[in-house]
Amino acid sequence: GAGVSQSPSNKVTEKGKDVELRCDPISGHTALYWYRQSLGQGLEFLIYFQGNSAPDKSGLPSDRFSAERTGGSVSTLTIQRTQQEDSAVYLCASSRDAGNTIYFGEGSWLTVV
Amino acid sequence: GDSVTQMEGPVTLSEEAFLTINCTYTATGYPSLFWYVQYPGEGLQLLLKATKADDKGSNKGFEATYRKETTSFHLEKGSVQVSDSAVYFCALKGGSNYKLTFGKGTLLTVNP
Repeated sequence: GAGVSQSPSNKVTEKGKDVELRCDPISGHTALYWYRQSLGQGLEFLIYFQGNSAPDKSGLPSDRFSAERTGGSVSTLTIQRTQQEDSAVYLCASSRDAGNTIYFGEGSWLTVV
Repeated sequence: GDSVTQMEGPVTLSEEAFLTINCTYTATGYPSLFWYVQYPGEGLQLLLKATKADDKGSNKGFEATYRKETTSFHLEKGSVQVSDSAVYFCALKGGSNYKLTFGKGTLLTVNP
């Protein structure tokens, strides 16, 4: 597609359940990022994928968070045993490579009740 | 580490007023600087960027100049419109870094 596509756009889940958020980057973009946007915290970097290199997971807040990128394209962010503090907008972004402009998707709004 | 500090909002202006949103940064090397905008209910969009000192980024009437001596990248617009109401984020990408580091965002409301 023309832009970064994310799904679901909205997700309400019960505390303790697992959730998966999907990101389809811009075609041809080798770099993919996940960020989290929450009230009072601004935009936090979570994880970065570049081609076949090992991902930079330094921003993942706990071991309940994981992400994978299959075939160098689509990525899935998984949050296990969700907590209320996980409620946020999860933004995916991609760029042609590490040095180029980063383009964001519209985000997945996660609410944990 | 890299950091971005931008003026706290909210900022409320009348239509056709002059806008300045201050942004200063701390970074190693020679970062690229960005302003992103988030309109209500939408995702982040790149507004403008500058990749080296004294470069001026501009788009949709907005401008920002990369000032290395003051480590600043202030966003300006001469005459704001109601449609400019949004959250504005200043960001940097370090010279040897692939990550964007964001400021906390500034909410701008423009009243008719």
